[in-house]
Amino acid sequence: EVQLVESGGGLVQPGGSLRLSCAVSGFTFSNYHMGWVRQAPGRGLEWVANIRPGGSEKFYLDSVRGRFTISRDNARNSLYLQMNSLRVEETAVYYCARGEMYAYDYWGQGTVVTVSS
Amino acid sequence: DIVMTQSPLSLPVTPGEPASISCRSSQSLLHSSGYNTLGWYLQKPGQSPQLLIYLGSNRASGVPDRFSGSGSGTDFTLKISRVEAEDVGSYYCMQALQTPFTFGQGTRLDIK
Repeated sequence: EVQLVESGGGLVQPGGSLRLSCAVSGFTFSNYHMGWVRQAPGRGLEWVANIRPGGSEKFYLDSVRGRFTISRDNARNSLYLQMNSLRVEETAVYYCARGEMYAYDYWGQGTVVTVSS
Repeated sequence: DIVMTQSPLSLPVTPGEPASISCRSSQSLLHSSGYNTLGWYLQKPGQSPQLLIYLGSNRASGVPDRFSGSGSGTDFTLKISRVEAEDVGSYYCMQALQTPFTFGQGTRLDIK
């Protein structure tokens, strides 16, 4: 059974940092693109970042480039999102998702990030 | 960036009746490989999104056959042949032709 479990969310002050993790199981992690998608309260879905299977190529939403870093550890079956200089408007549920055939076919349950003073 | 526009944004439907959602992109989603890089997702209340349709018209594993996707290029449609109570939620299209991947605004389907 494919599973993706996010962790690392919480309350952080504006300008602060958080590191999200996504532990996966049930598939060969190193074969798949992976991504992060977020959803602000009451809002729609917003793509944040994507990483290729080997980890060498990474792609970002313009507004997070330079502040967020997506990474992966294929030996540990884990995906990460390091978020620095967080803004109030980045308060959201952050989902990790598996990429396949130009879509995200499995999603985690999400982790809540609240940026507030 | 590719802009995705969904309509309608709200869709009240009587159980057993059909429903249709449109998704239009600001540029063609047809990849050089011949695939339309368009997916449809359903987010049920309080849940994570789930994939319904990939490559424009392929049902994801476990998705009931009352869901179908069609279209090519810039115009796509998700159809539900007979809406059931469990289909309530927000439906999103997403393009994965180029980054940033972009979603439509979402269409909220409710039962009348």
